[in-house]
Formats: sequence, C-alpha cells, structure tokens
Amino acid sequence: DIQMTQSPSPLSASVGDRVAITCRASQNIANYLNWYQQKPGKAPKLLIYAASSLQSGVPSRFSGSGSGTDFTLTISSLQPEDFATYYCQQSYITPRTFGGGTKLEIK
Amino acid sequence: QVQVVQSGTEVKKPGASVTVSCKTSGYAFTTRDISWVRQAPGQGLEWMGFISASDGNTNYAQKFQGRVAMTTDTPTSTAYMELRNLRSDDTAVYFCVVEGASGPYVYFDDWGQGTQVTVSS
Repeated sequence: DIQMTQSPSPLSASVGDRVAITCRASQNIANYLNWYQQKPGKAPKLLIYAASSLQSGVPSRFSGSGSGTDFTLTISSLQPEDFATYYCQQSYITPRTFGGGTKLEIK
Repeated sequence: QVQVVQSGTEVKKPGASVTVSCKTSGYAFTTRDISWVRQAPGQGLEWMGFISASDGNTNYAQKFQGRVAMTTDTPTSTAYMELRNLRSDDTAVYFCVVEGASGPYVYFDDWGQGTQVTVSS
C-alpha cells in the first residue's frame, strides 16, 4: 500500500497568514493527489484534485502543487472559516489511502 | 444537485453485523462508483473499498477482506455496506461517497452525512 505522510500537525496560525501543508507519498503517484477539508462533526469537503485543480466553488486562496512524491496545499490568506483539519489522499492505485491529517489551529 | 443520504445511528454487540445504506439522487446512478470511508473517534479517514455502480464489481481494502460486502440496488439508487463480525475497534462514523472523476483522476466530491456505528457489549 502507498503510505501518505502529512506535516506539520498540528499547525498554529493566525487570520491573514499564508500557510503550507505538506504531504509525502511513499512512492511516485504522479499527480494523483487530492486534498480535503474537514470540520468537526461534518463530512470532508473536496478542495483540490489532480494535485493542483481547484474544485468548483472552492475559494481561490486555496492552491495545490507538487508531483511524484511531494505535494503542498497552500492557503494564501487564512480566513476564520479555514481552521479545520486537512487530509491528502492518493488516487493512483487502490487502496486509496489518506494522510493522517493536519489540524490547523488558531494561534 | 447530487444528494447522498445515509441511514441512521447503529449500536451493535461484538460479533454482530451492521448494514449501512446510502440513498443517492441527482445523477445517473450507474455512472459513478461509490466508496466507503470510515473515521474512528478522534482519528483520520480510512478507505474501506468501492463498488462500481455500473457492473457491481468491488475492490476492498485488504484489512476488510472477508468481513465487508458492498452492494447496490440500481432501481432505488441505493448502495449498501455490510460489515460482519464487529469488534469494538469498528466503532466509527461510516461515510458513503459518490466518486467523481476528471479523466483518469478520481476524487471524492459527494459525501453522505455519515452514520455512527457503535460496537459495545
């Protein structure tokens, strides 16, 4: 199975900050990488697919980059509603493994 | 607009089975695969497997092989996930996800609300 490792966790930041969350795959997954946001008690929400494609309706302050084994989710200017847990997921092969999550906390 | 509505909370004893249903609407049911994902209390997301709604083929995570069965009922646009021989560490919220795709890129864009399954003696 492909292992997905996220860092850092947790991540403390303030409103207006630019933050980056990283995700590393245990083998080359090209750009088969998705990012999700999850708030407590809610289902995850898709933010980015294919490493850098923004899902419809997601604010443009979210962006994704990377290929191969190293990926980054960047939030350009944190808003209060962005404090949540973020997960990466590879869709290169099954099982479609998730990273362990990065909890983004208010500093 | 795609809607995904799951069945309600379940409380089961160890060794029992549970079936979670997932009723979908707003799209052609056989055109999109359905995955199941679970989340134990305070933990991350765990993919359990998926079923092709077009032909019923399944692909299960090895961890659940032999204990899980995913099925669909096309006339009612409903998917089911049965987990057998429940243990306490199966206590989790179970999500049904209607998969999306853009070319070869699969992603999870339409999620159910989640079903709490508690396993306790």
